Amino acid sequence: DVKVTQSSRYLVKRTGEKVFLECVQDMDHENMFWYRQDPGLGLRLIYFSYDVKMKEKGDIPEGYSVSREKKERFSLILESASTNQTSMYLCASSLWLQDQGEQFFGPGTRLTVL
Amino acid sequence: AQKVTQAQTEISVVEKEDVTLDCVYETRDTTYYLFWYKQPPSGELVFLIRRNSFDEQNEISGRYSWNFQKSTSSFNFTITASQVVDSAVYFCALRPIIQGAQKLVFGQGTRLTINP
Repeated sequence: DVKVTQSSRYLVKRTGEKVFLECVQDMDHENMFWYRQDPGLGLRLIYFSYDVKMKEKGDIPEGYSVSREKKERFSLILESASTNQTSMYLCASSLWLQDQGEQFFGPGTRLTVL
Repeated sequence: AQKVTQAQTEISVVEKEDVTLDCVYETRDTTYYLFWYKQPPSGELVFLIRRNSFDEQNEISGRYSWNFQKSTSSFNFTITASQVVDSAVYFCALRPIIQGAQKLVFGQGTRLTINP
């Protein structure tokens, strides 16, 4: 079974702190994604990556950066956390060649910025 | 531009009732996939179904069924004889059929509560 894990289920940080959210998948997937989920807005794509050291902006990249140094790991970085970044963050992965397009999700990290 | 709309924000029914979750989409792509995901209280999105734009045949899986109508750009999800374990947030999503890093466009989600 595909497994996507995220480093924390709950995280509380203060405004201005640098925050790292880690995601690891164990199925050798090429593609990895970071979404944020907010009530009434569904899931919105922040960044995605289709290969090591490659990254692409999603729909809402402002205030975020990412790092993919290894194929199995995709990190989301909040350089200076702000209260409007309080949200649920979901990581996902998928195969490059899989034409069905199914993404496998991690359990999510609920981040609160005070 | 692609867009997915789930107009029902919340639905609450009594156990054993049938319930339908609506999904309407917009896309300029001629070929695309549609998905439904379930998000239980644990938080992890669980894949339920994928349907491609070539195939408008309805699908049934146990108590779950999906009605895809290209003419109305809808992909509705029906749960028959609902159970408390069906309580979750359900998301409809869309992506074009292309190889590579596939971006899913999600609807806003529908929170379904099944009361005993």
